[in-house]
Amino acid sequence: GQQVMQIPQYQHVQEGEDFTTYCNSSTTLSNIQWYKQRPGGHPVFLIQLVKSGEVKKQKRLTFQFGEAKKNSSLHITATQTTDVGTYFCACRAGGYQKVTFGTGTKLQVIP
Amino acid sequence: NAGVTQTPKFQVLKTGQSMTLQCAQDMNHEYMSWYRQDPGMGLRLIHYSVGAGITDQGEVPNGYNVSRSTTEDFPLRLLSAAPSQTSVYFCASSLQRGGSGANVLTFGAGSRLTVL
Repeated sequence: GQQVMQIPQYQHVQEGEDFTTYCNSSTTLSNIQWYKQRPGGHPVFLIQLVKSGEVKKQKRLTFQFGEAKKNSSLHITATQTTDVGTYFCACRAGGYQKVTFGTGTKLQVIP
Repeated sequence: NAGVTQTPKFQVLKTGQSMTLQCAQDMNHEYMSWYRQDPGMGLRLIHYSVGAGITDQGEVPNGYNVSRSTTEDFPLRLLSAAPSQTSVYFCASSLQRGGSGANVLTFGAGSRLTVL
């Protein structure tokens, strides 16, 4: 079955530092999504990437989809305390209806 | 629009008891799914459905049953609860077709289950 690895598992940063999480799939993906879960909350959709090499930006967040469509990254520039939470990638391969989530990266921002 | 509603929010069960976690959505989403979230394990798919009358297994289906008699509801049944089923359960739904909203999962607030 599809394997999805997400690293790192945890990241502590000083406020203002940058942060990156990486998502790697064992299979070629049809699309990848990113979700954010605040402490005690539920996952909330951030963005979807579909095309090989695609780059999308949302304010301080930059999302990339690898050329081979097997990996992705989320980069946050100049973190703020509001960025605290766990970031998950969600992978869909081929025509499958199943969505496989990565294990998540828990971000702590130290003021 | 309530979105995805899960009940109960919290539940404590004894080993061997059965119960049903309820999930309802009012967005006319074809796709509905159940995930469990455990520390360090991310979100693991239990069962999913692409429409009324159609269900299929995810990664961790053992010990759970589902049915989809209507578009709106997708209950998750624990047949005989075990301590290994202690977890936070999330229901999520999405459109299957049409525009940029397709395949975007909307999650419920979660149900925290403890099995003693």
